[in-house]
Amino acid sequence: SQQGEEDPQALSIQEGENATMNCSYKTSINNLQWYRQNSGRGLVHLILIRSNEREKHSGRLRVTLDTSKKSSSLLITASRAADTASYFCATGDSSYKLIFGSGTRLLVRP
Amino acid sequence: GAGVSQSPSNKVTEKGKDVELRCDPISGHTALYWYRQSLGQGLEFLIYFQGNSAPDKSGLPSDRFSAERTGGSVSTLTIQRTQQEDSAVYLCASSPPGNYGYTFGSGTRLTVV
Repeated sequence: SQQGEEDPQALSIQEGENATMNCSYKTSINNLQWYRQNSGRGLVHLILIRSNEREKHSGRLRVTLDTSKKSSSLLITASRAADTASYFCATGDSSYKLIFGSGTRLLVRP
Repeated sequence: GAGVSQSPSNKVTEKGKDVELRCDPISGHTALYWYRQSLGQGLEFLIYFQGNSAPDKSGLPSDRFSAERTGGSVSTLTIQRTQQEDSAVYLCASSPPGNYGYTFGSGTRLTVV
């Protein structure tokens, strides 16, 4: 079963614009992570935010977490064509197992 | 090794045959995970190893699927009597002790014809 659901399913923006993706989940979590996937193969870990954190930054990425609403958002600022990929949120509980959402396909047009 | 290695990268098999997929995690990573991803879909959890034991096999879709891990390192996912619905990309990931972030391999694309 999938825990996280990303919104939107697909997003197309112009290079230089910001991209925002949202993730909602159902049960209590220990942490929430975002991953990027290019061309349907291995995923790359982008950022992890713990349940007691509200916001985290990494380079052009900003992640927020609202545990009261069971939601998270990923903001990519000043997007580049190379950011074109699928982005997945994943939720973890006290074990190390992650449950992934269905992903957002981001297209950044040059 | 430098990363998580999976082999083969592609496998085409006839319906009814058995297949073995291999995952070689990063040295020192105690946790190992198997997921599968159907075309255009999210990741479906299959099984998780901590060392050589599998505390969570809840995602294995049927008794045709099994996995083992030996020496706290290499893991093999075996699918017996493959069916067309088994066609997917099988992804392996590992993580070190106390770290929640995964490192993924490039996956094995399995096609059952």
